[in-house]
Amino acid sequence: DTAVSQTPKYLVTQMGNDKSIKCEQNLGHDTMYWYKQDSKKFLKIMFSYNNKELIINETVPNRFSPKSPDKAHLNLHINSLELGDSAVYFCASSQEGAGYYYGTQYFGPGTRLTVL
Amino acid sequence: QKEVEQNSGPLSVPEGAIASLNCTYSDRGSQSFFWYRQYSGKSPELIMSIYSNGDKEDGRFTAQLNKASQYVSLLIRDSQPSDSATYLCAVNMEGRGGYNKLIFGAGTRLAVHP
Repeated sequence: DTAVSQTPKYLVTQMGNDKSIKCEQNLGHDTMYWYKQDSKKFLKIMFSYNNKELIINETVPNRFSPKSPDKAHLNLHINSLELGDSAVYFCASSQEGAGYYYGTQYFGPGTRLTVL
Repeated sequence: QKEVEQNSGPLSVPEGAIASLNCTYSDRGSQSFFWYRQYSGKSPELIMSIYSNGDKEDGRFTAQLNKASQYVSLLIRDSQPSDSATYLCAVNMEGRGGYNKLIFGAGTRLAVHP
Protein backbone atom coordinates (compact mmCIF):
# COMPACT_ATOMS: atom_id res chain seq x y z
CA ASP A 1 0.00 0.00 0.00
CA THR A 2 1.41 3.36 -1.03
CA ALA A 3 1.49 5.70 1.96
CA VAL A 4 1.92 9.04 0.18
CA SER A 5 1.24 9.14 -3.55
CA GLN A 6 1.59 11.90 -6.09
CA THR A 7 0.45 12.33 -9.67
CA PRO A 8 1.85 12.85 -12.15
CA LYS A 9 5.39 11.57 -11.68
CA TYR A 10 6.68 13.65 -14.59
CA LEU A 11 5.30 16.87 -16.00
CA VAL A 12 6.77 18.61 -19.05
CA THR A 13 5.10 21.81 -20.15
CA GLN A 14 5.64 25.15 -21.84
CA MET A 15 6.18 28.48 -20.15
CA GLY A 16 2.95 30.28 -19.39
CA ASN A 17 0.86 27.14 -18.98
CA ASP A 18 -1.11 26.21 -15.87
CA LYS A 19 -0.64 22.80 -14.27
CA SER A 20 -1.70 20.86 -11.17
CA ILE A 21 -0.07 18.19 -9.05
CA LYS A 22 -2.11 15.95 -6.79
CA CYS A 23 -1.17 14.27 -3.53
CA GLU A 24 -2.94 11.71 -1.39
CA GLN A 25 -1.94 10.03 1.86
CA ASN A 26 -3.52 6.98 3.46
CA LEU A 27 -1.65 7.20 6.75
CA GLY A 28 -4.41 9.02 8.60
CA HIS A 29 -2.12 11.98 9.20
CA ASP A 30 -3.56 15.41 9.84
CA THR A 31 -0.79 17.53 8.34
CA MET A 32 0.40 17.66 4.75
CA TYR A 33 3.16 19.64 3.04
CA TRP A 34 4.53 20.71 -0.29
CA TYR A 35 8.28 20.97 -0.77
CA LYS A 36 10.35 22.11 -3.72
CA GLN A 37 13.72 20.53 -4.41
CA ASP A 38 15.79 22.50 -6.88
CA SER A 39 18.64 21.37 -9.10
CA LYS A 40 21.10 21.73 -6.23
CA LYS A 41 18.98 19.23 -4.27
CA PHE A 42 18.01 21.82 -1.66
CA LEU A 43 14.66 20.81 -0.16
CA LYS A 44 12.55 23.79 0.88
CA ILE A 45 9.09 23.89 2.39
CA MET A 46 6.43 25.79 0.47
CA PHE A 47 3.12 25.13 2.22
CA SER A 48 1.63 23.13 5.04
CA TYR A 49 -1.98 22.24 5.79
CA ASN A 50 -3.35 20.92 9.05
CA ASN A 51 -6.83 19.42 8.83
CA LYS A 52 -7.53 21.36 5.62
CA GLU A 53 -6.33 24.64 7.12
CA LEU A 54 -3.31 26.46 5.68
CA ILE A 55 -0.78 26.86 8.49
CA ILE A 56 2.50 27.48 6.71
CA ASN A 57 2.86 29.66 3.65
CA GLU A 58 6.49 30.40 2.92
CA THR A 59 7.62 33.12 0.56
CA VAL A 60 6.17 31.54 -2.54
CA PRO A 61 4.88 33.44 -5.60
CA ASN A 62 1.11 33.67 -5.58
CA ARG A 63 1.12 31.79 -8.87
CA PHE A 64 1.29 28.74 -6.59
CA SER A 65 -2.01 27.89 -4.95
CA PRO A 66 -2.44 24.86 -2.73
CA LYS A 67 -5.81 23.33 -2.02
CA SER A 68 -6.80 20.70 0.51
CA PRO A 69 -10.30 19.28 -0.08
CA ASP A 70 -9.90 16.96 2.91
CA LYS A 71 -7.10 16.01 5.26
CA ALA A 72 -5.99 13.11 3.06
CA HIS A 73 -5.51 15.22 -0.06
CA LEU A 74 -3.37 18.22 -0.90
CA ASN A 75 -3.12 19.58 -4.42
CA LEU A 76 -0.85 22.23 -5.89
CA HIS A 77 -1.92 24.40 -8.78
CA ILE A 78 0.65 26.52 -10.57
CA ASN A 79 -0.36 29.35 -12.90
CA SER A 80 1.74 30.94 -15.62
CA LEU A 81 4.62 28.54 -15.30
CA GLU A 82 8.13 29.97 -15.52
CA LEU A 83 11.49 28.37 -16.30
CA GLY A 84 12.53 28.77 -12.65
CA ASP A 85 9.64 26.57 -11.56
CA SER A 86 11.45 23.54 -12.95
CA ALA A 87 12.19 21.33 -9.96
CA VAL A 88 11.03 18.22 -8.16
CA TYR A 89 7.98 18.84 -6.00
CA PHE A 90 7.49 16.55 -3.03
CA CYS A 91 4.37 16.09 -0.99
CA ALA A 92 4.74 14.88 2.59
CA SER A 93 2.53 14.12 5.55
CA SER A 94 2.96 13.83 9.29
CA GLN A 95 1.02 13.39 12.48
CA GLU A 96 1.89 16.22 14.82
CA GLY A 97 3.49 14.86 17.94
CA ALA A 98 2.51 15.55 21.52
CA GLY A 99 3.96 18.61 23.22
CA TYR A 100 6.90 20.05 21.37
CA TYR A 101 7.86 16.87 19.58
CA TYR A 102 7.57 17.20 15.86
CA GLY A 103 6.08 14.36 13.91
CA THR A 104 8.07 12.37 11.39
CA GLN A 105 7.34 13.40 7.84
CA TYR A 106 6.75 10.79 5.15
CA PHE A 107 7.43 11.82 1.59
CA GLY A 108 5.71 11.00 -1.66
CA PRO A 109 7.70 9.88 -4.71
CA GLY A 110 7.95 13.39 -6.13
CA THR A 111 6.82 15.10 -9.32
CA ARG A 112 9.55 16.23 -11.67
CA LEU A 113 8.34 19.40 -13.35
CA THR A 114 10.18 20.64 -16.44
CA VAL A 115 9.19 23.98 -17.90
CA LEU A 116 10.42 24.57 -21.46
CA GLN B 1 23.85 32.31 8.54
CA LYS B 2 22.10 29.30 7.06
CA GLU B 3 19.58 27.71 9.37
CA VAL B 4 20.83 24.14 8.91
CA GLU B 5 24.34 23.58 7.62
CA GLN B 6 25.97 20.45 6.27
CA ASN B 7 29.11 19.81 4.26
CA SER B 8 28.01 19.01 0.74
CA GLY B 9 30.71 16.39 0.26
CA PRO B 10 31.20 14.09 -1.39
CA LEU B 11 32.34 12.13 1.62
CA SER B 12 34.15 9.10 0.34
CA VAL B 13 34.73 6.12 2.64
CA PRO B 14 35.86 2.55 1.98
CA GLU B 15 33.46 -0.32 2.49
CA GLY B 16 33.38 -1.42 6.13
CA ALA B 17 34.53 1.92 7.50
CA ILE B 18 32.60 4.35 9.69
CA ALA B 19 31.02 7.28 7.89
CA SER B 20 30.53 10.40 9.99
CA LEU B 21 28.05 13.04 8.83
CA ASN B 22 27.69 16.34 10.63
CA CYS B 23 25.08 19.06 10.87
CA THR B 24 24.81 22.36 12.74
CA TYR B 25 21.68 24.43 13.22
CA SER B 26 20.93 28.00 14.21
CA ASP B 27 17.68 27.86 16.23
CA ARG B 28 18.37 27.13 19.91
CA GLY B 29 14.66 26.41 20.42
CA SER B 30 14.67 23.41 18.08
CA GLN B 31 13.57 20.20 19.75
CA SER B 32 13.33 17.59 17.01
CA PHE B 33 16.08 16.42 14.69
CA PHE B 34 15.98 14.02 11.80
CA TRP B 35 18.27 12.31 9.33
CA TYR B 36 16.84 11.42 5.94
CA ARG B 37 18.51 9.42 3.22
CA GLN B 38 17.83 10.27 -0.41
CA TYR B 39 18.96 8.09 -3.29
CA SER B 40 19.34 9.77 -6.64
CA GLY B 41 15.94 10.29 -8.26
CA LYS B 42 14.08 9.09 -5.18
CA SER B 43 12.26 10.72 -2.30
CA PRO B 44 13.79 11.29 1.15
CA GLU B 45 13.28 8.44 3.60
CA LEU B 46 13.67 8.75 7.34
CA ILE B 47 16.63 6.97 8.92
CA MET B 48 16.75 8.39 12.43
CA SER B 49 15.00 10.86 14.67
CA ILE B 50 16.46 12.21 17.89
CA TYR B 51 15.00 14.52 20.49
CA SER B 52 17.32 14.32 23.53
CA ASN B 53 20.98 15.03 24.04
CA GLY B 54 23.22 12.02 23.67
CA ASP B 55 23.36 9.04 21.37
CA LYS B 56 20.59 7.02 19.79
CA GLU B 57 21.45 3.78 18.06
CA ASP B 58 19.47 1.83 15.47
CA GLY B 59 21.32 -1.01 13.81
CA ARG B 60 24.37 0.37 12.01
CA PHE B 61 23.19 3.95 12.51
CA THR B 62 23.88 6.17 15.50
CA ALA B 63 22.54 9.70 15.80
CA GLN B 64 24.24 12.07 18.22
CA LEU B 65 22.75 15.31 19.51
CA ASN B 66 24.38 18.15 21.43
CA LYS B 67 21.90 20.98 21.90
CA ALA B 68 24.40 23.20 23.72
CA SER B 69 26.67 23.12 20.68
CA GLN B 70 23.70 23.05 18.26
CA TYR B 71 25.18 20.04 16.62
CA VAL B 72 23.73 16.77 15.38
CA SER B 73 25.60 13.96 13.68
CA LEU B 74 25.00 10.59 12.08
CA LEU B 75 27.45 7.72 12.24
CA ILE B 76 27.14 4.79 9.87
CA ARG B 77 29.13 1.76 10.96
CA ASP B 78 30.30 -0.95 8.57
CA SER B 79 29.46 1.26 5.58
CA GLN B 80 28.15 -0.56 2.54
CA PRO B 81 28.06 0.55 -1.12
CA SER B 82 24.26 0.57 -0.75
CA ASP B 83 24.67 3.40 1.78
CA SER B 84 25.87 5.66 -1.02
CA ALA B 85 23.28 8.44 -1.12
CA THR B 86 22.67 12.01 -0.03
CA TYR B 87 21.98 12.39 3.68
CA LEU B 88 19.73 15.26 4.69
CA CYS B 89 19.73 16.73 8.17
CA ALA B 90 16.37 18.25 9.17
CA VAL B 91 15.56 20.38 12.19
CA ASN B 92 12.21 21.64 13.41
CA MET B 93 11.87 25.41 13.81
CA GLU B 94 8.96 27.50 14.88
CA GLY B 95 7.25 29.22 12.00
CA ARG B 96 4.62 31.94 11.86
CA GLY B 97 1.61 31.34 14.04
CA GLY B 98 3.54 29.04 16.33
CA TYR B 99 3.44 26.09 13.97
CA ASN B 100 6.58 24.07 13.53
CA LYS B 101 8.24 23.58 10.19
CA LEU B 102 11.05 21.31 9.17
CA ILE B 103 14.16 22.97 7.79
CA PHE B 104 16.50 20.83 5.75
CA GLY B 105 20.20 21.17 5.21
CA ALA B 106 21.57 21.00 1.69
CA GLY B 107 22.64 17.39 2.26
CA THR B 108 25.93 15.52 2.32
CA ARG B 109 26.65 13.14 -0.50
CA LEU B 110 28.18 9.89 0.77
CA ALA B 111 30.08 7.55 -1.53
CA VAL B 112 31.08 4.14 -0.18
CA HIS B 113 33.59 2.42 -2.43
CA PRO B 114 34.30 -1.34 -2.43
